[in-house]
Amino acid sequence: GAVVSQHPSRVICKSGTSVKIECRSLDFQATTMFWYRQFPKQSLMLMATSNEGSKATYEQGVEKDKFLINHASLTLSTLTVTSAHPEDSSFYICSARIPYFVGTERKAFFGQGTRLTVV
Amino acid sequence: DAKTTQPNSMESNEEEPVHLPCNHSTISGTDYIHWYRQLPSQGPEYVIHGLTSNVNNRMASLAIAEDRKSSTLILHRATLRDAAVYYCILRDIRPNQGGKLIFGQGTELSVKP
Repeated sequence: GAVVSQHPSRVICKSGTSVKIECRSLDFQATTMFWYRQFPKQSLMLMATSNEGSKATYEQGVEKDKFLINHASLTLSTLTVTSAHPEDSSFYICSARIPYFVGTERKAFFGQGTRLTVV
Repeated sequence: DAKTTQPNSMESNEEEPVHLPCNHSTISGTDYIHWYRQLPSQGPEYVIHGLTSNVNNRMASLAIAEDRKSSTLILHRATLRDAAVYYCILRDIRPNQGGKLIFGQGTELSVKP
């Protein structure tokens, strides 16, 4: 089945540095990908919708200058956490949906997540 | 986004059926009902989805009420590997809605040996 791969699975960075997380759709083209953040014992919170070839759409309250999203190809979206601080420590998850076919509802595939720890 | 309501947690015994309820009284005609589950420290995994009719697949069954205001995910024989948080999500399929999935709190299912 369709697979979405995230890299790295775990990263530790120093406060003030930037971290890039990659999300790849391995066997399908994804014009749209989604980025979520999840704090311990909480649900997933949608951060932004990543659109290939155009600017990302951010959810209310998410700082677009802090969480830079680039979707330069149909199989790759990246999330860069800039000037990371300890409060940015979280589990980041990406998602993509297989291409649309008229009359069908598509399921979403999720990456395995990236555990970011800012020290 | 139309909201869903699920119990915070449920318990089940191994090899017994599990019925996970979900209420979505404000569902609209363009909302599909999706179920995903998340095992600890992993990304969510698709389970099943439906619109009006009951659905079956190799993982589970989805029973949808006639008025569509509630649904039930059925795991026919729970195993220890089914212990996870189960999310019931409504997805609006209209093109101008962005196709996103908005997660609620979900139901944490524990399975006892």
